Parts: sequence; structure tokens; C-alpha cells
Amino acid sequence: DIVMTQTPLSSPVTLGQPASISCRSSQSLVHSDGNTYLSWLQQRPGQPPRLLIYKISNRFSGVPDRFSGSGAGTDFTLKISRVEAEDVGVYYCMQATQFPWTFGQGTKVEIK
Amino acid sequence: QVQLVESGGGLVKPGGSLRLSCAASGFTFSDYYMSWIRQAPGKGLEWVSYISSSGSTIYYADSVKGRFTISRDNAKNSLYLQMNSLRAEDTAVYYCARGSSGWLPDWGQGTLVTVSS
Repeated sequence: DIVMTQTPLSSPVTLGQPASISCRSSQSLVHSDGNTYLSWLQQRPGQPPRLLIYKISNRFSGVPDRFSGSGAGTDFTLKISRVEAEDVGVYYCMQATQFPWTFGQGTKVEIK
Repeated sequence: QVQLVESGGGLVKPGGSLRLSCAASGFTFSDYYMSWIRQAPGKGLEWVSYISSSGSTIYYADSVKGRFTISRDNAKNSLYLQMNSLRAEDTAVYYCARGSSGWLPDWGQGTLVTVSS
């Protein structure tokens, strides 16, 4: 199974400041079709997960442009350019390149 | 718009069974693969199972293989998860999610399954 490791697990951030979350996979996420199926999800308190980013860097419909994804192979990053109060929650990376699909442990973003 | 509504959760004793349902609307259900993902209380997300759009391809997490069965009825726009031989560690909120080419753009609100004597 592909293990997804996120750092940090907790990220206290000042409003208006940037935040960055790293996700590392135990093996390359490049699929045989050439795509890399790495996505990022946000889970606000008491809510189901919500897709933010798919295929490393593609923002899903309705996601603010302060969210961006980057990376390749086994190393990926989610960045929030200026954290807003509504960004509080837990962020997960997820790989769908190989079954079983796996998630990172989650990174809790909170306001300092 | 896309709506996914899970139902069927509840309290069940260890060794018991439960059948979860997910009613889909707002999209052509038969065109999309579907998945179940669960989240134990206070824990992270765990992928449980996948079913292709036609139902011909199915995958399970090792933790549920042989005990859980995913199925779908495209005529009824519904996804199911039959859970047998339930254990305490199966206690979780179960989400159904619509798939699209390698990511999960839409999720339901979830249904809570509690396995306890």
C-alpha cells in the first residue's frame, strides 16, 4: 500500500499569513496513463470533506485562488496564500493512483 | 446540483450486520464510479470500497475485505454497502462519494455506524 505522510500535523497560522502543508508518498504517484492522481481535501469542523485540488495542481470548481497545489512524483505541497477564518479545518492529501486509495493523516489548520 | 444522501447507519452489536444506502441525484449516476470512505470518531479518513460505473469492477480495503459488499442499482440511482461481521473498529461515519477520473468531487453528509454491545 502507498503510505501518505503529511507534515506538519498541526499548523497555527495568523490571519492573512500564508500556510503550507507537505505530503509525501512512499512511492511515485505517477499512473501508467501519465497522470498523477494526488488530490487535496478540506474538512471543516462538523462537515464532510470537500475537494480543493485534483491532479496535483488543478483547483476544483468554486475553490478560491488563494489555494494552490504543486509537486511531482512523491512530494507535494498545498499552499494557502493568505489564511482566512473560513480556512480553519483539517486538510488531507489523497492518492488515487493505486488501490487501495490512501489518505494522509490530516493537518489541522487553526488560527493563532 | 449533485446530492448524495446516505442512510442506514445506527447502533449494532459486534458480529451484526447493517446495510448502508446512498441516494444520488443531480447527475447521471450510471456514468460515474462511486466509493465509500469512513472516518472513525476523531480520526482521519479511510477509503473503504470502490465500484465502477457499471458495477463490473470492485475493490475493497483489506480491513473490510470478505465482510463488506459494495453494490449499486443504476436504475434506482443508488449505492449500497452491505456490512457483515461488524467489529468495534468499524465504528465510523461512512461517506459515499462520487468519483471522476481519479478524484472525489462530491461527498455526502455521512451516516454514523456504531458497533457496540
